[in-house]
Amino acid sequence: DAGITQSPRHKVTETGTPVTLRCHQTENHRYMYWYRQDPGHGLRLIHYSYGVKDTDKGEVSDGYSVSRSKTEDFLLTLESATSSQTSVYFCAISESQLAGDDNEQFFGPGTRLTVL
Amino acid sequence: EDQVTQSPEALRLQEGESSSLNCSYTVSGLRGLFWYRQDPGKGPEFLFTLYSAGEEKEKERLKATLTKKESFLHITAPKPEDSATYLCAVLGYGQNFVFGPGTRLSVLP
Repeated sequence: DAGITQSPRHKVTETGTPVTLRCHQTENHRYMYWYRQDPGHGLRLIHYSYGVKDTDKGEVSDGYSVSRSKTEDFLLTLESATSSQTSVYFCAISESQLAGDDNEQFFGPGTRLTVL
Repeated sequence: EDQVTQSPEALRLQEGESSSLNCSYTVSGLRGLFWYRQDPGKGPEFLFTLYSAGEEKEKERLKATLTKKESFLHITAPKPEDSATYLCAVLGYGQNFVFGPGTRLSVLP
């Protein structure tokens, strides 16, 4: 299994509070991703990173920010959590995005976030 | 815009009853089509990558095939432990990874 951990694994918070989720990898992969998974929507990309301090928005980035100060860590922050951000959050990593070149993603175990 | 659809939404099989799952996609240049298995409460587990039409890959009871418009995941003589949600995703030149909604497979003993 790819070395990806997420913390915390479960969190309950209140509307309006800031929340930070952490993803840590031991694979030294260049790309890191944050997804949310909701019933009826499947996996949707929030933000991704293609290197230290290099990040970009995904499909559902509003209300979220990210940071990557080290290759192994990718943080997802909800500045002011809302009930619509209740979801399961997955971190993923990949070595490449080139065609035909080890571009598959490997996923972490997920963080279940509940915003009351 | 890259899109992925999967059918059926749910599939119930008897143990040993072979079947296929479908993943239809539209993408602006394919860099890879991916199949994942996801068990309840866990992250998706990588199964296969397919890069070009005509390519096939096998792993135990699973075989993935690819055409220019769709991919099939064939399950031969499934066992109850094959029960899971199977996800398909594409990586195109125009966008990042795009996932389908998944097919929930139940294999009854």
